[in-house]
Amino acid sequence: DAGVTQSPTHLIKTRGQHVTLRCSPISGHKSVSWYQQVLGQGPQFIFQYYEKEERGRGNFPDRFSARQFPNYSSELNVNALLLGDSALYLCASSLQGEKLFFGSGTQLSVL
Amino acid sequence: SQQGEEDPQALSIQEGENATMNCSYKTSINNLQWYRQNSGRGLVHLILIRSNEREKHSGRLRVTLDTSKKSSSLLITASRAADTASYFCATDEKGGGTSYGKLTFGQGTILTVHP
Repeated sequence: DAGVTQSPTHLIKTRGQHVTLRCSPISGHKSVSWYQQVLGQGPQFIFQYYEKEERGRGNFPDRFSARQFPNYSSELNVNALLLGDSALYLCASSLQGEKLFFGSGTQLSVL
Repeated sequence: SQQGEEDPQALSIQEGENATMNCSYKTSINNLQWYRQNSGRGLVHLILIRSNEREKHSGRLRVTLDTSKKSSSLLITASRAADTASYFCATDEKGGGTSYGKLTFGQGTILTVHP
């Protein structure tokens, strides 16, 4: 079975632009979570979705939004990009919500 | 926000030695997990210990949990150069309902194992 896949792997944007990151969970996993990891720090929770419903939201501004589709894939959207949004964005899926399986991430650079 | 601190921030050892990393957290938890990250890419789950467990083993890994001190330690025995990576503890905090994937991560320990 394929693992969690994320696209794109790298992305360069300029301030004020909008970005969409995509994630496909492991087959059979209905839970998807998004994390932001700034260089030198641990991942920070952004969103979690289960069965297409938002089940949790971290301390991020409303510029960040997400959704989960009927096939359980997910998108993370960030509007009005700031320099501080430069980070590795990680998607994780899980079966029962305990052990997380992470994708390789999308490295976002905002110039 | 980060749940707590990991200690040390960086650890450098020789192959064959044991590596111990510590993690402290602030809130009541359902479980605590350890993850490994190579070269700033995806994290890999290593081991999970529940709040009612005190010690758990998996291969060369040994995890302890002290809920009274809100701390955990990860021991890697007989380390190998391939163990070089960043190691993170993550807590599933107690709260309403099932977490469905919300974890709070520490800052991580960078482990370097020299051949």
